[in-house]
Amino acid sequence: EAGVTQSPTHLIKTRGQQATLRCSPISGHTSVYWYQQALGLGLQFLLWYDEGEERNRGNFPPRFSGRQFPNYSSELNVNALELEDSALYLCASSSGTSDEQYFGPGTRLTVT
Amino acid sequence: GENVEQHPSTLSVQEGDSAVIKCTYSDSASNYFPWYKQELGKRPQLIIDIRSNVGEKKDQRIAVTLNKTAKHFSLHITETQPEDSAVYFCAASWRGSQGNLIFGKGTKLSVKP
Repeated sequence: EAGVTQSPTHLIKTRGQQATLRCSPISGHTSVYWYQQALGLGLQFLLWYDEGEERNRGNFPPRFSGRQFPNYSSELNVNALELEDSALYLCASSSGTSDEQYFGPGTRLTVT
Repeated sequence: GENVEQHPSTLSVQEGDSAVIKCTYSDSASNYFPWYKQELGKRPQLIIDIRSNVGEKKDQRIAVTLNKTAKHFSLHITETQPEDSAVYFCAASWRGSQGNLIFGKGTKLSVKP
């Protein structure tokens, strides 16, 4: 089966701009999670979507937002980009009946 | 909220030796504890997990133990090989109103041939 996919692989933006990152979950998975992996900080939880609704969000400002589409794919939007937003953004998916989360390859966002 | 501490941050072993990574968690309601392996430039891969109703789980050379009373869990890798070199992350999740994983900061394991 195809794994979690993310696009783009790399994204370079200027401070103040907006970034849009995309994620397609494993077929049959309804939950999508977004995590930020900044250098030296491990993986930090951003957002959780399930069945089209936001279920939980981590300790990030409101300029981090997203949505989940009817086909369960998801989009992460980051507004008013700051230099410290530079990181690897990872998406994970899980089925509605399992705790196991499977990660995509990530999008490397660089803010200059 | 949940907090996960992971130790050590770096671990170097000789090929064939065992490696142990330890994590503690703060929320007694946490009930799912996965371990991920992340090789350089690659995605985190789920290698083993344990649920709160189980004390130990093994899969070939890797095993995980859970002590609910002490709120800690450990990853054990036996007969280490150079390809085990990677960053390992532990995590905890409280299914229900959260679902998301809270990760430890990672352990960089180096296996020297």
